[in-house]
Amino acid sequence: AQTVTQSQPEMSVQEAETVTLSCTYDTSENNYYLFWYKQPPSRQMILVIRQEAYKQQNATENRFSVNFQKAAKSFSLKISDSQLGDTAMYFCAFMKHWAYSSNTGKLIFGQGTTLQVKP
Amino acid sequence: KAGVTQTPRYLIKTRGQQVTLSCSPISGHRSVSWYQQTPGQGLQFLFEYFSETQRNKGNFPGRFSGRQFSNSRSEMNVSTLELGDSALYLCASSWDRGLNTEAFFGQGTRLTVV
Repeated sequence: AQTVTQSQPEMSVQEAETVTLSCTYDTSENNYYLFWYKQPPSRQMILVIRQEAYKQQNATENRFSVNFQKAAKSFSLKISDSQLGDTAMYFCAFMKHWAYSSNTGKLIFGQGTTLQVKP
Repeated sequence: KAGVTQTPRYLIKTRGQQVTLSCSPISGHRSVSWYQQTPGQGLQFLFEYFSETQRNKGNFPGRFSGRQFSNSRSEMNVSTLELGDSALYLCASSWDRGLNTEAFFGQGTRLTVV
């Protein structure tokens, strides 16, 4: 079974600074997807960034980037130039690749990290 | 393009009652997944529907059920409610598992069982 672990329940960062959220996962699969989702107080879960395991290049979306270490099963999220609007709970999630498994459509989430951006 | 719509946003029910939650996916999306979010257990997968068929199911008791209609709208039902069923129920839709694995979430239905 797959598991996702986020070891930092809470973090804080000053506005305009950089913060890194950690995530480790456990799987015997070789092909899968990893995601970071953001859940602000409005509760709407929003996709921040996605990484496909077969791609060695780390994904980047504007101020958000990941450090994907497949061998170490680590998937950290770096937020640069933090903004007040980044305040939210962040979830790391795993999903098996559709082409290699019938067990699709199932996201396995970590416990989340609450990020507070301070002015 | 309208997002994923979940109704109602809030519900209060009594133990033993049953409840039905609704999810309207983004137009064109055929896959709908349901998740339960609680402070203690976090986000847990309930089930996924695609073209009116349940493709995948999480580890929840049979009191939790769902269905999907021909227009891709989905409902989930919880019978004989227990206090522990109090949670935020999130619905997510995606176009298809192959070409686009991005799931778009609704704002959830907050269910309180008293």
